[in-house]
Amino acid sequence: GAGVSQTPSNKVTEKGKYVELRCDPISGHTALYWYRQSLGQGPEFLIYFQGTGAADDSGLPNDRFFAVRPEGSVSTLKIQRTERGDSAVYLCASSWDNYGYTFGSGTRLTVV
Amino acid sequence: GQNIDQPTEMTATEGAIVQINCTYQTSGFNGLFWYQQHAGEAPTFLSYNVLDGLEEKGRFSSFLSRSKGYSYLLLKELQMKDSASYLCAVKDSNYQLIWGAGTKLIIKP
Repeated sequence: GAGVSQTPSNKVTEKGKYVELRCDPISGHTALYWYRQSLGQGPEFLIYFQGTGAADDSGLPNDRFFAVRPEGSVSTLKIQRTERGDSAVYLCASSWDNYGYTFGSGTRLTVV
Repeated sequence: GQNIDQPTEMTATEGAIVQINCTYQTSGFNGLFWYQQHAGEAPTFLSYNVLDGLEEKGRFSSFLSRSKGYSYLLLKELQMKDSASYLCAVKDSNYQLIWGAGTKLIIKP
């Protein structure tokens, strides 16, 4: 696609529920990053994929968070047993050279 | 630890010049980025510096001094649409981006 697409743009869920956030990167971009951004803060690194494999998942805050990229294109970030502290904007970025990053518009997750 | 520092907020006048500073302490250095982020939108790329000196791109310029762990973003001929947050990010030795909290720039007529 022309840009990085993230769906849904907004998600409101109840505490304890499971959510999935989707990222569709730019076609041909092998690198894909997930970040989390709270109001007034910079993006916080979560996980980085190179192709299908998670090259670095050191930013995932705990085992409730998991991400997959089974075919090296679309990625899904999965959050189990959501907590109010998970509320944030989840950003996805893709790159073909690990230098130029293109961000999606993000998914605003609100846990109530 | 790794740290990126930039002012929280700055105010400037339309038509003027503003300089946003960024200092960093990271484990390794593989380049510094500046991104612009309007409220509720994704960050968009402005500039990339890996060598010391000034990079100019239209109304925006970015400077880097690796020995001082310092960069600035210079915005000239400010327009109202430049009101946004400006994020400084450094690529560390693991090629991961470490982000500052951003500087909110308010432009007044």
